[in-house]
Amino acid sequence: QKEVEQNSGPLSVPEGAIASLNCTYSDRGSQSFFWYRQYSGKSPELIMFIYSNGDKEDGRFTAQLNKASQYVSLLIRDSQPSDSATYLCAVRNSGYSTLTFGKGTMLLVSP
Amino acid sequence: DTAVSQTPKYLVTQMGNDKSIKCEQNLGHDTMYWYKQDSKKFLKIMFSYNNKELIINETVPNRFSPKSPDKAHLNLHINSLELGDSAVYFCASSPMIQETQYFGPGTRLLVL
Repeated sequence: QKEVEQNSGPLSVPEGAIASLNCTYSDRGSQSFFWYRQYSGKSPELIMFIYSNGDKEDGRFTAQLNKASQYVSLLIRDSQPSDSATYLCAVRNSGYSTLTFGKGTMLLVSP
Repeated sequence: DTAVSQTPKYLVTQMGNDKSIKCEQNLGHDTMYWYKQDSKKFLKIMFSYNNKELIINETVPNRFSPKSPDKAHLNLHINSLELGDSAVYFCASSPMIQETQYFGPGTRLLVL
């Protein structure tokens, strides 16, 4: 059973702080990793993807991947109330193209 | 200029009925997907089609039958609806099998 684990939260941070969202996965052969943001009642929207070990930065967002530890994280700098949403970690498993999603972490950014 | 669209947006129906959900993408993508998101917000793949061919069929009751008339459309027909089918169904597409997926707005199905 290929699993993706996330803390359900909520993770509460004050405006301007760094929010750190974590995800672990069980399939050691996984090749690519995605972070989606989902506002309540809306569809998931892609924030970032990462394929290689290390950090990948895009604006206020940084994805970090450590394949040896089977761990991927998302850092949000200068958090804004508009960042309040559920963040879904998704992992493309080895073999075919199935994406396995975690259950998501709810982030609350307070003004 | 909607990228991935779904109809209907809301669907309320009685147990035992048959219903269909339609999905269309205008992105020129080759691969389309159906996901189910339950009340606990868990998003799970149901089916995937690549160029009109079924490539992924997860453990889904055979009351669910996808159909892809062309690579821009992927419809989902559900027979004999059950209470447990109540969920949000998302369609998604990607340029090719291994690439990033983009989601439609979702269809909220409530079975009474």
